Amino acid sequence: AAGVIQSPRHLIKEKRETATLKCYPIPRHDTVYWYQQGPGQDPQFLISFYEKMQSDKGSIPDRFSAQQFSDYHSELNMSSLELGDSALYFCASSLGRYNEQFFGPGTRLTVL
Amino acid sequence: RKEVEQDPGPFNVPEGATVAFNCTYSNSASQSFFWYRQDCRKEPKLLMSVYSSGNEDGRFTAQLNRASQYISLLIRDSKLSDSATYLCVVPRGGSNYKLTFGKGTLLTVNP
Repeated sequence: AAGVIQSPRHLIKEKRETATLKCYPIPRHDTVYWYQQGPGQDPQFLISFYEKMQSDKGSIPDRFSAQQFSDYHSELNMSSLELGDSALYFCASSLGRYNEQFFGPGTRLTVL
Repeated sequence: RKEVEQDPGPFNVPEGATVAFNCTYSNSASQSFFWYRQDCRKEPKLLMSVYSSGNEDGRFTAQLNRASQYISLLIRDSKLSDSATYLCVVPRGGSNYKLTFGKGTLLTVNP
């Protein structure tokens, strides 16, 4: 079965640079979620989209923005990167907002 | 009480053992609960969903006690491949679209 696809899988950036992470949900899933998992931490919810509209916001810094496109894929844009942004970024998708979330393999971002 | 609190672990058990993890949650409005497993540096994978009093899937049984705001996961006949971190996940604010993860319980099954 098709799963959530994330790209790139690994990304290395310098401080103050920008990064764009992409997420392609499971086909027919209409809801996308972004999570950040720091080393030794549990995943923290950042933001979610349902039917291309932002549906909820968590602990997403103002330097980050995201959107969901007409084909339901989502992009997380990160600017003015800081060392503390180094983490695993997971995207998850679900069919509707009230169903189980399935996670992609993650993008490992390293900020030097 | 923290939003989601799990047994800190780690748990080290021999193959074939039965092991149980406990999780308490603070939001009494939560209607659904999930157990995910996460292997090192990989994504969380949904193991079980719990909507009523419990759920069973093969060697795995999840039980829910709403009165005590407590969820458990029981693994019978442990396999080496069960070694992972088990995350108790509870929707925040009663909805499914903001998940609050517990800190996870590390299980190592030894030969």
